[in-house]
Amino acid sequence: NFMLTQPHSVSESPGKTVTISCTRSSGSIASNYVQWYQQRPGSSPTTMIYEDNQRPSGVPDRFSGSIDRSSNSASLTISGLKTEDEADYYCQSYDSSNHWVFGGGTKLTVL
Amino acid sequence: QITLKESGPTLVKPTQTLTLTCTFSGFSLSTSGVGVGWIRQPPGKALEWLALIYWDDDKRYSPSLKSRLTITKDTSKNQVVLTMTNMDPVDTATYYCAHNGDYFDYWGQGTLVTVSS
Repeated sequence: NFMLTQPHSVSESPGKTVTISCTRSSGSIASNYVQWYQQRPGSSPTTMIYEDNQRPSGVPDRFSGSIDRSSNSASLTISGLKTEDEADYYCQSYDSSNHWVFGGGTKLTVL
Repeated sequence: QITLKESGPTLVKPTQTLTLTCTFSGFSLSTSGVGVGWIRQPPGKALEWLALIYWDDDKRYSPSLKSRLTITKDTSKNQVVLTMTNMDPVDTATYYCAHNGDYFDYWGQGTLVTVSS
């Protein structure tokens, strides 16, 4: 099986842009879609990005997703940061056997 | 409107078997392409996928926990049941069930299960 590695934490100021990375340990990042979930304290996760770069309805276009084959990683970019974006973010993907994997999560602080 | 809700014991003893039920509405688990999965999260730690069952009764398990897990569905009751054997204090976590229609797009509120003697 593979792992998804995320930075433990990132921080940025309101109004700025932040990017959270998610590196796949084996197999191509492009082989299977990547999703990104936001989890606020005490709440269930909600989907921010699905299928690498698609936003569910209701998610602001400040959130965008991408993959980079050269670094075998996915990225979540949040522009125009707001204090309400402060949360934990998890990337997730799966393998050819339909085994699902979550990254270790990144705590975003907006200060 | 899709909703899911987890139910089960809040406290189990080490070595016991945990049985959790996910009761859902707003979709049918007999619809092609639909699945329901279980994910857990120890306090202060990351999400961990456990198991997933599809509309056609295809079942997938986390390789690291496969020997301890069983997932079943009752389509008529709109329920999915997860059993985990030989519980240990490290299994203390919030357990979530989630609708899967290509990804986990709807989640339950989660249920905290504590493993302690």
